[in-house]
Amino acid sequence: DSGVTQTPKHLITATGQRVTLRCSPRSGDLSVYWYQQSLDQGLQFLIQYYNGEERAKGNILERFSAQQFPDLHSELNLSSLELGDSALYFCASSAQLGYGYTFGSGTRLTVV
Amino acid sequence: GESVGLHLPTLSVQEGDNSIINCAYSNSASDYFIWYKQESGKGPQFIIDIRSNMDKRQGQRVTVLLNKTVKHLSLQIAATQPGDSAVYFCAENILTGNQFYFGTGTSLTVIP
Repeated sequence: DSGVTQTPKHLITATGQRVTLRCSPRSGDLSVYWYQQSLDQGLQFLIQYYNGEERAKGNILERFSAQQFPDLHSELNLSSLELGDSALYFCASSAQLGYGYTFGSGTRLTVV
Repeated sequence: GESVGLHLPTLSVQEGDNSIINCAYSNSASDYFIWYKQESGKGPQFIIDIRSNMDKRQGQRVTVLLNKTVKHLSLQIAATQPGDSAVYFCAENILTGNQFYFGTGTSLTVIP
C-alpha cells in the first residue's frame, strides 16, 4: 500500500456520460498530480494541485476538470466521455514540490 | 510537453544477469530524474532518483547514470531477478516546473 488511495478501481460507463475519480493523497502530502495512461502510451501529465490550488496543467482536455478540497483529497471529473478516454488514470502525491511522487494504484476507466 | 524517449521498448534478460535500460531526454534544463517501475495492474513505484549535479547514484542492486552532455540516462539492475520483470519508466523534471514527464517505458522480462 503506497498510501495514496484511488477510488473506484474500475469503472465502466457509456459514451457521453460523466464520471468522477477520487484520490486521497498520502498523509502530509500537499501536492496531488493526475496522470492518464492509455494502452501503449506512457504517463501523460494532466494537472497538478498544491494545497488546494491549481499549480500546473498538462495535456488535459477541456472536458476534464479537477479540484483539490480543503482536506487535500482530489477529484478528477471527466465529462462527455468518448471511447478514446478509456485508460488508466493515476493520482500521485508528493510532500514537497519537485520531489518524487508516490502513485496510487489507479482507476481503470472503460468507456463503451 | 517534454520529450523523454526510451531506446528499446522491450528487453529480455536471463535471471542473474545484469540489465541496462536506457533513456534519452530532450530538455537540457531538466535537473531531476527518477526511474519508476510499474508492475502489471499496479501504479508506478519509485526506484531511484538522481539530480543533475550528480552523474551516478547507487541503490540496492540498482544504479542510475546520468550523462548531461548527451542527455542520456540509464538504469542498471544487478543480478536481475524474476521479480524485476516490469515496465520501467524514466521521468524528467525541471524543479521550477514541478511536473514530471515520462517516457513510454521499457518492458523488462526476466527469463528464469
